[in-house]
Amino acid sequence: NAGVTQTPKFQVLKTGQSMTLQCAQDMNHEYMSWYRQDPGMGLRLIHYSVGAGITDQGEVPNGYNVSRSTTEDFPLRLLSAAPSQTSVYFCASSYWDTNTEAFFGQGTRLTVV
Amino acid sequence: DAKTTQPPSMDCAEGRAANLPCNHSTISGNEYVYWYRQIHSQGPQYIIHGLKNNETNEMASLIITEDRKSSTLILPHATLRDTAVYYCISPPRGYQKVTFGIGTKLQVIP
Repeated sequence: NAGVTQTPKFQVLKTGQSMTLQCAQDMNHEYMSWYRQDPGMGLRLIHYSVGAGITDQGEVPNGYNVSRSTTEDFPLRLLSAAPSQTSVYFCASSYWDTNTEAFFGQGTRLTVV
Repeated sequence: DAKTTQPPSMDCAEGRAANLPCNHSTISGNEYVYWYRQIHSQGPQYIIHGLKNNETNEMASLIITEDRKSSTLILPHATLRDTAVYYCISPPRGYQKVTFGIGTKLQVIP
């Protein structure tokens, strides 16, 4: 069991470039989500998915797209990176239940210059 | 999900018990209380959760008040490695739309 795997760990982008942050889990979890964390702040929800083919917006979705074609993968796309998207990004997954823990990836540190 | 309130920071002497409070006065009957911690900028790590009864595992104990409006996470013998940000949340089914606040920054002092 690898748990939740995020790639890359670090990335530097130029303003306007696009990229995809990868997230994969091998626990057959229905629920997956993306968070961003800025200095001194908590984790803010970007997008989430309750199963393959189903996604929805979180608290701060602007500038990000997601898709969920398989249970295992939940990529996060930045179509045109902006300096305001400089942050640490975390992916999480869990079962669709109230009595279950969430598992987090180790994060992707993104800098947009 | 129920709104939770935590103090922004706490100190604890190494070797002593760290008691981290959380208020969740709007929690509903079927919502669990979960605790996570985040060390440096790593991904948050699950610690413990409970519904009504007190819970204990190898990492910590969780004390939930009888009215379920508040809880306390207890680290019985804090070490320097326990220095982290601790989050208390009460997620709905499947963590749908769960956000994490700023949590409590615990500093364990030698």
